[in-house]
This record gives sequence, structure tokens and C-alpha cells, in this order.
Amino acid sequence: NAGVTQTPKFQVLKTGQSMTLQCAQDMNHEYMSWYRQDPGMGLRLIHYSVGAGITDQGEVPNGYNVSRSTTEDFPLRLLSAAPSQTSVYFCASSPGWIYEQYFGPGTRLTVT
Amino acid sequence: GQQVMQIPQYQHVQEGEDFTTYCNSSTTLSNIQWYKQRPGGHPVFLIQLVKSGEVKKQKRLTFQFGEAKKNSSLHITATQTTDVGTYFCAPSEGAQKLVFGQGTRLTINP
Repeated sequence: NAGVTQTPKFQVLKTGQSMTLQCAQDMNHEYMSWYRQDPGMGLRLIHYSVGAGITDQGEVPNGYNVSRSTTEDFPLRLLSAAPSQTSVYFCASSPGWIYEQYFGPGTRLTVT
Repeated sequence: GQQVMQIPQYQHVQEGEDFTTYCNSSTTLSNIQWYKQRPGGHPVFLIQLVKSGEVKKQKRLTFQFGEAKKNSSLHITATQTTDVGTYFCAPSEGAQKLVFGQGTRLTINP
């Protein structure tokens, strides 16, 4: 099993550009989530999904969109990138929110 | 919403010294998870505590869940350089989302 995969590993965007961070898991997990990590801020929850077709907002959802059309994939979209979105983004999956979360390797995003 | 405070934010120790990080919540928790993140890596699950007053051990690591289920601690005995990293608590209170504490960054002088 590949576990949780994220692409790309690194990305540089200009302010106003859009992009999608990809996340996929091959463990048939129902629960998936996106976090961002900034120095001194820990991990902050952006969006999460309890199953295909169901998504909800976390602590810091503004500026991000998600969808969950399949169990395997949970892409994160930045519609108009801003420098404040410079961060490391982690995707995680698990059988449910109360269980062990499996994290992907992360995407380091820089917005100039 | 859930308020979680993790202290200290940073801790530097000499190799062989003990280390403790605390996670405090303003509300009663359903359970709490602990994660470790090595520098440049991703968070990795360590353990989950569910019961009031629960104590679990993993070799030199001891995890405790408070009697009131509002706080938890991770204690490392005789730190080693492999313990370097950031330790996060992730409490949940029944809202279907896992919110992480700010983390405690541990550095060790060999």
C-alpha cells in the first residue's frame, strides 16, 4: 500500500493564481482531512470529509475549497492564492475521526 | 469551540534528562491522541487515550489522561537524540473533527 500520497511536494505560486493540491489514499478510509502548518502555529484544520460526497469546514476554511467525489481522493483547491497561504499542507486519512490519522508527506507551498 | 493549550511551546534538554509536555482543554474530552513529528517530516500517531485516569506506556514514553478528561501529559524518561521533534496532542470532544494543539518542540543536547 502507498498509504497517503500528496502531490506536488513543492509549489511556488504568484498571488492570484489558482491551483489544486492532490491527496489520495489506498486504505479505503472514510475520513479525510486537510491541515496547514505554519511555524509556531501547530496544525490547523482546513476542511474535512467523513465520506464521499460529504465535506465540512475546519478551523481555517477561508480561501480553500474541497470536494470528495470518491473515497480515495480529497483535493484541496486554492481559488486565488495569497501570500498568507504560504504554508506546509498535510492531508490525512483514517477509518474515522476518532481513530489514528495517517498523514501524507506534505506539500510545501510558497505564494509570492 | 474547543480550546486546547499545549505547554511548553519549546523545551531544550540534555540527553538523558526527562521531558514532559502537557495538553489542557477548557472542555471535557471524548478522547485524546498524541503525535510526533520529526524535523522535516509528517506527524506520526503515537497513542490514543480514552478512559478517565488512563495511563499507557511505550518503552520510555508515559501517557496520562486526567481524571476529569480535560488534560493529558506525555512524559519521556531519559531522553535520547532520537526523541527530537515536535509532540502534538489532538483532543476530540465529539465534533467529528480532530483539532491539534500547538505542539511542544523538543531539542536535545547530546
